[in-house]
Amino acid sequence: GENVEQHPSTLSVQEGDSAVIKCTYSDSASNYFPWYKQELGKRPQLIIDIRSNVGEKKDQRIAVTLNKTAKHFSLHITETQPEDSAVYFCAAALYNFNKFYFGSGTKLNVKP
Amino acid sequence: EAGVVQSPRYKIIEKKQPVAFWCNPISGHNTLYWYRQNLGQGPELLIRYENEEAVDDSQLPKDRFSAERLKGVDSTLKIQPAELGDSAVYLCASSLRQNTEAFFGQGTRLTVV
Repeated sequence: GENVEQHPSTLSVQEGDSAVIKCTYSDSASNYFPWYKQELGKRPQLIIDIRSNVGEKKDQRIAVTLNKTAKHFSLHITETQPEDSAVYFCAAALYNFNKFYFGSGTKLNVKP
Repeated sequence: EAGVVQSPRYKIIEKKQPVAFWCNPISGHNTLYWYRQNLGQGPELLIRYENEEAVDDSQLPKDRFSAERLKGVDSTLKIQPAELGDSAVYLCASSLRQNTEAFFGQGTRLTVV
């Protein structure tokens, strides 16, 4: 099956700085890569996703890049704000299997 | 539009007791997932349904866990008997079709004492 690794496990940045979270996956058949944000005690919520036919996707302060050759994808948050503090999970889904494999999460702390 | 609804939100039981969790997915979503999330880790799939059929239950500990999705809508996940190591958050999610966004419920936090 697929194996998703996520780094770093914790990340602390100053408000206004950028944050980057990286994930690698093992199965080249994976074609859908969502990112979820989970605030303490709340449900994971999708913040951005990317498909394997696209190399980059941006939504305001959030962007995701995908390198299919290297099998890694990254989440970029610019101009971080305290409300960005949460745990972020990457995931990979295998084509036609409809099954999500999650990374172990990155706890982001944005210091005001 | 209502999201994925789970109940109860919290459950504390003694080991060896049974427990059940309930999930109502988003209307029209054919795919339903049950995930377990241990503290500080990402969700791990327990079982996936396509309509009423369990198409992936390879991660479900079948000696004590069972699940059902009658009529392809609501689903229940049961543990009997519960063990201390079952303490976790149990998340239900649903999606419209394959490889599209999975919407998560609030989860049920289970504590086995």
